[in-house]
Amino acid sequence: EAQVTQNPRYLITVTGKKLTVTCSQNMNHEYMSWYRQDPGLGLRQIYYSMNVEVTDKGDVPEGYKVSRKEKRNFPLILESPSPNQTSLYFCASSSPRGSGETQYFGPGTRLLVL
Amino acid sequence: KNQVEQSPQSLIILEGKNCTLQCNYTVSPFSNLRWYKQDTGRGPVSLTIMTFSENTKSNGRYTATLDADTKQSSLHITASQLSDSASYICVVSRSGNDMRFGAGTRLTVKP
Repeated sequence: EAQVTQNPRYLITVTGKKLTVTCSQNMNHEYMSWYRQDPGLGLRQIYYSMNVEVTDKGDVPEGYKVSRKEKRNFPLILESPSPNQTSLYFCASSSPRGSGETQYFGPGTRLLVL
Repeated sequence: KNQVEQSPQSLIILEGKNCTLQCNYTVSPFSNLRWYKQDTGRGPVSLTIMTFSENTKSNGRYTATLDADTKQSSLHITASQLSDSASYICVVSRSGNDMRFGAGTRLTVKP
């Protein structure tokens, strides 16, 4: 089954404790992206990747890092989480370039930073 | 300021009724416009995608329209079902991968 998976689905952590949210897709998509969703604001892009070893900032990259060492994986790293990063996070993928193609979203990761 | 505005913010209708959701955008240049359905606690799922030259696209009981001149789109849901209860998100793309998301319309269908 074609899908985007994220782990963990739910996470409670404390300020400053590094964490990684994994994202994996099995559709051989070149394009992958991370979003955060906050009430009343809609989805906002954090980082995206056009292909392996190619990443770029989205609208709200501060406090986040990503890597794309393999085509199927695109982890989101919070080196020192803060309470304002409490949010619902979605990973998405599409092919070949993201524009004009359907994006497939993961199930979401709900993060609470205390 | 968000470049994609959706209305209404929320809507409650009775099962079997039709409804129309609105999306106005100022995004430029324009590449395409998509409507997504997002069930509570889940990721968005694509319903339709329209390019500049398309002014209507259907997906079952969902019909999207696009007026690129006035920069308006609508999503019409026919004969609503309880499973239509969800948030509906309008997404407008500029060139490449630059996408702008609306805040969504929360639809509740009651029996």
